[in-house]
Amino acid sequence: QQPVQSPQAVILREGEDAVINCSSSKALYSVHWYRQKHGEAPVFLMILLKGGEQKGHEKISASFNEKKQQSSLYLTASQLSYSGTYFCGTEMGSGGSNYKLTFGKGTLLTVNP
Amino acid sequence: EAQVTQNPRYLITVTGKKLTVTCSQNMNHEYMSWYRQDPGLGLRQIYYSMNVEVTDKGDVPEGYKVSRKEKRNFPLILESPSPNQTSLYFCASSLTPGWSYEQYFGPGTRLTVT
Repeated sequence: QQPVQSPQAVILREGEDAVINCSSSKALYSVHWYRQKHGEAPVFLMILLKGGEQKGHEKISASFNEKKQQSSLYLTASQLSYSGTYFCGTEMGSGGSNYKLTFGKGTLLTVNP
Repeated sequence: EAQVTQNPRYLITVTGKKLTVTCSQNMNHEYMSWYRQDPGLGLRQIYYSMNVEVTDKGDVPEGYKVSRKEKRNFPLILESPSPNQTSLYFCASSLTPGWSYEQYFGPGTRLTVT
């Protein structure tokens, strides 16, 4: 089942913060975050596993709330290079890996000078 | 250079004419997968392979075939393409089937079926 991302699009000025949410109606084993720039392939940002801690990647971090079956991606002090479409991918299961990754429809982030 | 390659990058074909999109990785990855990307729908998994000779359906497998005879290659086959298979296709690979590893995506193949 495809996870739901919100918002669908967001426009920021350089230096502003943003939060992108990803939620599922079913129990999640892991959540993956990718960024895709226009005309390019998706690029990995981070993975959050069930029972794991919040992860960070420079000024981009994410959390995973297992009870609510949702994850949030935090972009702090945004830079022009953060522009792109952000996808969350979810893996279902209260147990171990089922090897199937289902992506959300994406959130288009635009950072303006 | 570690990479996933796809060929062709662009393809225009006609309905019913069989085609194959190749995918190859040079990272000795066990896991490979195919996705299609359509506007407003995100990335949808077509097929995946946990290792050589082991493949399974993703969310949208209808109209597609795959084979994994070698570790490095995972071709996508459209036996009788139809216009609704016009899309952007991505191949991806990761080190192991376990989900603690990132996926590396190929550059994409833009397919148009007329």
